[in-house]
Amino acid sequence: AQKVTQAQTEISVVEKEDVTLDCVYETRDTTYYLFWYKQPPSGELVFLIRRNSFDEQNEISGRYSWNFQKSTSSFNFTITASQVVDSAVYFCALMRGTSYGKLTFGQGTILTVHP
Amino acid sequence: GAVVSQHPSRVICKSGTSVKIECRSLDFQATTMFWYRQFPKQSLMLMATSNEGSKATYEQGVEKDKFLINHASLTLSTLTVTSAHPEDSSFYICSARDLETGWREQYFGPGTRLTVT
Repeated sequence: AQKVTQAQTEISVVEKEDVTLDCVYETRDTTYYLFWYKQPPSGELVFLIRRNSFDEQNEISGRYSWNFQKSTSSFNFTITASQVVDSAVYFCALMRGTSYGKLTFGQGTILTVHP
Repeated sequence: GAVVSQHPSRVICKSGTSVKIECRSLDFQATTMFWYRQFPKQSLMLMATSNEGSKATYEQGVEKDKFLINHASLTLSTLTVTSAHPEDSSFYICSARDLETGWREQYFGPGTRLTVT
């Protein structure tokens, strides 16, 4: 069975602080995909990144960076110099290579960035 | 980018009535659409996978007769909550897989907030 665990239920930071959101996954598949989504108060999911299981290269996109480590089954997300607009719920998700699109979501981490 | 719409965005209905939620892919064709449910402050749980022209596949524990899914065209899937009860109040989100870009790409709708009184 697939499982995604986001141990941090809520995180509160002050603007300009760096923050890391943890994600640990479980799967027996060798081919799988990992995702991060942002859900602002409006409710609409915003796609942030997709990573396949064969690509462990870390990625940086502006203030966002992701660290994928298969050895620890983790796919952590770091926001550098956080801003108030980053306040949202962030979900990590897993897709099996054979699931044709079905996503298993983590519990989500509520990030609050205070001015 | 690909756009998925949902209608209505919010709906309030009385207990015992049925409500239909539409999910449309606006600028691409979607052979597969997914329906998720999200309770307040909780994660998204997959309810069913909707394939155009065939019966939906429901996840374990989801009542097929209560949550009727129809995927009549490549751009439209509907979820009907039959005989709704207050415990069905939730945020329902659909996603659609783009036929051309493959199953790794899917796009989420803005969600429908259902309140059953």
